[in-house]
Amino acid sequence: NAGVMQNPRHLVRRRGQEARLRCSPMKGHSHVYWYRQLPEEGLKFMVYLQKENIIDESGMPKERFSAEFPKEGPSILRIQQVVRGDSAAYFCASSPRAADLNTEAFFGQGTRLTVV
Amino acid sequence: AQRVTQPEKLLSVFKGAPVELKCNYSYSGSPELFWYVQYSRQRLQLLLRHISRESIKGFTADLNKGETSFHLKKPFAQEEDSAMYYCALKQETSGSRLTFGEGTQLTVNP
Repeated sequence: NAGVMQNPRHLVRRRGQEARLRCSPMKGHSHVYWYRQLPEEGLKFMVYLQKENIIDESGMPKERFSAEFPKEGPSILRIQQVVRGDSAAYFCASSPRAADLNTEAFFGQGTRLTVV
Repeated sequence: AQRVTQPEKLLSVFKGAPVELKCNYSYSGSPELFWYVQYSRQRLQLLLRHISRESIKGFTADLNKGETSFHLKKPFAQEEDSAMYYCALKQETSGSRLTFGEGTQLTVNP
């Protein structure tokens, strides 16, 4: 099992462009979580998805950000019209299920987005 | 709302010295607490969780509900323990969603 795979590892975008971050969960995992880490800060929850459903998006900025986890393929975090403040490390985690308190989430290596 | 606080951003100790990384939380329900570690250029990985009450790599952490703390301790630090450590809280009803502290960068000097 290759673990949670995120790509690209590094992404540079100019202001106003779109950024697409991909996350392939571990095999057998149907729950995906996205976190953002701004410079000098801890990881902040953004969104929690199950296959084809958004379960909790309370941490997502109201504009320009969207996430999906289709039936086939990776989860995508999409940032439209990027601004310098979007520069951060974006981490994805996956888990096999959600309801059990004993469930562990496994993290990817993150995508470092730089907006120039 | 739940919150996790790690008061020390940087902690430096000498090899063989005891180390304690502090973590305090605020949450009205019954939380599950974790410590995650991130070694240089590697992914975040689970170090230990309070419900398992196990010792990993010599580290232990006890949940103190009275003080709302979950400090990470190791009696004799090793150079390979140098890493970023994050304390995290999972609510009873949030799936695997975690609330993280800001992290403590531990440096163990030779």
